[in-house]
Amino acid sequence: EVQLVQSGAEVKKPGVTVKISCKVSGSTFTDDYIHWIQQAPGKGLEWMGLVDPEDGEAIYAAKFQGRVTMTADTSTDTAYMELTNLRYEDTAVYYCATAEVYSGGSVAWYLDLWGRGTLVSVSS
Amino acid sequence: QPALTQPASVTGSPGQSITISCTGTTSDVGSYNLVSWYQQHPGKAPKLMIYEVNKRPSGVSYRFSASKSGNTASLTISGLQAEDEGDYYCCSYAGSSTVIFGGGTKLTVL
Repeated sequence: EVQLVQSGAEVKKPGVTVKISCKVSGSTFTDDYIHWIQQAPGKGLEWMGLVDPEDGEAIYAAKFQGRVTMTADTSTDTAYMELTNLRYEDTAVYYCATAEVYSGGSVAWYLDLWGRGTLVSVSS
Repeated sequence: QPALTQPASVTGSPGQSITISCTGTTSDVGSYNLVSWYQQHPGKAPKLMIYEVNKRPSGVSYRFSASKSGNTASLTISGLQAEDEGDYYCCSYAGSSTVIFGGGTKLTVL
């Protein structure tokens, strides 16, 4: 069974950095893109970006560009999302989700498996 | 880039059908047959319900169907059941390896 296991909740002060992990089990880590999605309390889903574990290339949404770094460690089958210079409005649940990369190299642009989410609270 | 436009809420009675719209632009929904839909129950992670406009993943009820016309995609749920209540999000490929979500629709089953 494929599972995405995310790291636990974090409480951070404004201005610091948070790094969240997402461990993939039950599948080949490099067969999927890993996407990250933000959901603020009571709000909708917002796409933050993705990382391709095959080569480490990451694409970021304009809103988060400059503050977010997404990486993938193929030795531990774990993806990471680091968000710097935290603001109160970054308080949210952060989800990782997978999208299949087909054998021919084309990509599935839908998120078929999601982690349970990691709550990040930014508070002074 | 603004989110795809969805109605904030939709209400239906058990057994009825409802449709949720998702309006984008020629840069996303209108240009790609890569619209997906997600269901989210309170406190839970989203679940994929529809992908590539109208395909259902294994295990998703046949009561869920979807389509697209121009810049607008639609999700229809027939034979509404209490368990269908929750939030629904559309999502589209938006070019340059980016994705955009809709603002979400709260479905209430009365």
